Amino acid sequence: GNSVTQMEGPVTLSEEAFLTINCTYTATGYPSLFWYVQYPGEGLQLLLKATKADDKGSNKGFEATYRKETTSFHLEKGSVQVSDSAVYFCALSLLGTASKLTFGTGTRLQVTL
Amino acid sequence: DTAVSQTPKYLVTQMGNDKSIKCEQNLGHDTMYWYKQDSKKFLKIMFSYNNKELIINETVPNRFSPKSPDKAHLNLHINSLELGDSAVYFCASGYSYEQYFGPGTRLTVT
Repeated sequence: GNSVTQMEGPVTLSEEAFLTINCTYTATGYPSLFWYVQYPGEGLQLLLKATKADDKGSNKGFEATYRKETTSFHLEKGSVQVSDSAVYFCALSLLGTASKLTFGTGTRLQVTL
Repeated sequence: DTAVSQTPKYLVTQMGNDKSIKCEQNLGHDTMYWYKQDSKKFLKIMFSYNNKELIINETVPNRFSPKSPDKAHLNLHINSLELGDSAVYFCASGYSYEQYFGPGTRLTVT
């Protein structure tokens, strides 16, 4: 079956630190990969996506590269801000499954001053 | 201007009751979804409708019944509520590989 594995949180960083949240996947085909973010008390927002191998998704200073050889889609940001504190979800979707998203367990990021 | 809206935002009810959650999207998407987020933040698909037709039903108890009166609405009705139904329920709509989520409905069963 299809699955997504994320590093467990919480991840606590000081402002301006470098962020990496690891994500690996298992899929029976060629998935599209996503990062969603959930701010406290809110719904999920699409942060970035990549639809084929070697694609790099980027948004708001966050980046992730679709690595087919390592089945990974790690999220990175060079300098985090307090406002980045949220839960981050890695997810995949396969063609022919009505775009059903399979999520990882989420990683909570806490950024402090 | 809200793209995907859900009502109510909070729902507290007793075991055995029947309740409904409503979802509406104004994005013109053909496909809508219900996801359940448990207390550990784990998200799982429950149902998906495409143009009012059920296309995904992920081993959800038949106490849960989605209804789509038109492609802009997808409601979730839950019969005989149980303690384990307590969760946050998210509606989403989408096309291609992008999905847009509603703000969620926090259901608490006591």
